[in-house]
Amino acid sequence: QQQVKQSPQSLIVQKGGISIINCAYENTAFDYFPWYQQFPGKGPALLIAIRPDVSEKKEGRFTISFNKSAKQFSLHIMDSQPGDSATYFCAATRGGTGKLIFGQGTTLQVKP
Amino acid sequence: DTEVTQTPKHLVMGMTNKKSLKCEQHMGHRAMYWYKQKAKKPPELMFVYSYEKLSINESVPSRFSPECPNSSLLNLHLHALQPEDSALYLCASSLDLTYEQYFGPGTRLTVT
Repeated sequence: QQQVKQSPQSLIVQKGGISIINCAYENTAFDYFPWYQQFPGKGPALLIAIRPDVSEKKEGRFTISFNKSAKQFSLHIMDSQPGDSATYFCAATRGGTGKLIFGQGTTLQVKP
Repeated sequence: DTEVTQTPKHLVMGMTNKKSLKCEQHMGHRAMYWYKQKAKKPPELMFVYSYEKLSINESVPSRFSPECPNSSLLNLHLHALQPEDSALYLCASSLDLTYEQYFGPGTRLTVT
């Protein structure tokens, strides 16, 4: 029940296209869902996060869609660029624990 | 200052050595974390400190010993490590346990 399942494992998108990464969780006590972007040899960088009281959050080209009833959330990257090529991790946590449960990661390649 | 710094960037140590990893932040964050990340895997939580007290130990072997001397500094003392402990060690911090976690660049550890 602590797992977060992420798909796909890898994704290839053409420049200008939309990249979509999906995550699903079981634990209904989770109340904070961040996405991290990680480049090779670097630490994960917080990209965008959502709490379950909203269904969508947008920051620039990045949008999180959240479906509480289905226990799913997804990251959409609009107008994908080669510089977006990285590994993306979704995560979930229950408030006040500090314990992030990560998905297995998606390696995104944006072709020029 | 809006970043988490980690030293050293790289560390090679023998199985009988004692070494320490250092993490620092000056954002006024009161929660700090150690994670271990193997290649192509998500970060795995090791320890959580909240207000300089250890709040989570994820059953980490005693050859890893964390220390939080003050609210800005987090150390990870290493002793008698095994080759399978080779990984990227990441430090993170957050305002408190309910807020976003910000990661440092990591220390790449190789145990020979």
